[in-house]
Amino acid sequence: GESVGLHLPTLSVQEGDNSIINCAYSNSASDYFIWYKQESGKGPQFIIDIRSNMDKRQGQRVTVLLNKTVKHLSLQIAATQPGDSAVYFCAENINDYKLSFGAGTTVTVRA
Amino acid sequence: DTAVSQTPKYLVTQMGNDKSIKCEQNLGHDTMYWYKQDSKKFLKIMFSYNNKELIINETVPNRFSPKSPDKAHLNLHINSLELGDSAVYFCASSHMRVQETQYFGPGTRLLVL
Repeated sequence: GESVGLHLPTLSVQEGDNSIINCAYSNSASDYFIWYKQESGKGPQFIIDIRSNMDKRQGQRVTVLLNKTVKHLSLQIAATQPGDSAVYFCAENINDYKLSFGAGTTVTVRA
Repeated sequence: DTAVSQTPKYLVTQMGNDKSIKCEQNLGHDTMYWYKQDSKKFLKIMFSYNNKELIINETVPNRFSPKSPDKAHLNLHINSLELGDSAVYFCASSHMRVQETQYFGPGTRLLVL
């Protein structure tokens, strides 16, 4: 499943499929980008980050892609599992002490 | 072991009251933050503190007053609570700058009646 366009508030994906969550950022000067996962009733949890001198970074089952030309960030989750159901936020640094968060995408995994 | 903790977890109060939320981190971080998350899940920075000094104040009403007694604690006091203050408030911390991973607390759910 994939959230298309700049932002979709919800994404429904079949268990075992790959998920792609997209995010557009606003500040050309941002040099650090992060993805957070927030489960119901909990605080945001760090997933993966990427600096502006890279265009791809991989973690365990997750990959972040950065396209600075169009100011676009994406998070790919491989083999989506029920535990991946959550709200996912992208964030960019505005300066050394401030992150700006996107609106969030709710991912629901269907069994 | 809890990295970033907040108390209370839930707070229900009447309009006009004054309340405080406490935050503590045991990660040895120098920078702490307060965020507000509204009913649409939008997460917005309110304050950033580095080594007990206020760095960022995001045009938050004067009714909100953060206090950092030491690097491990950042409390938030809210005077004259309004209905619009109802939200989830998250504390977070990082080593120095936001370019180093921020760890979030579990949140305080504030409901103003």
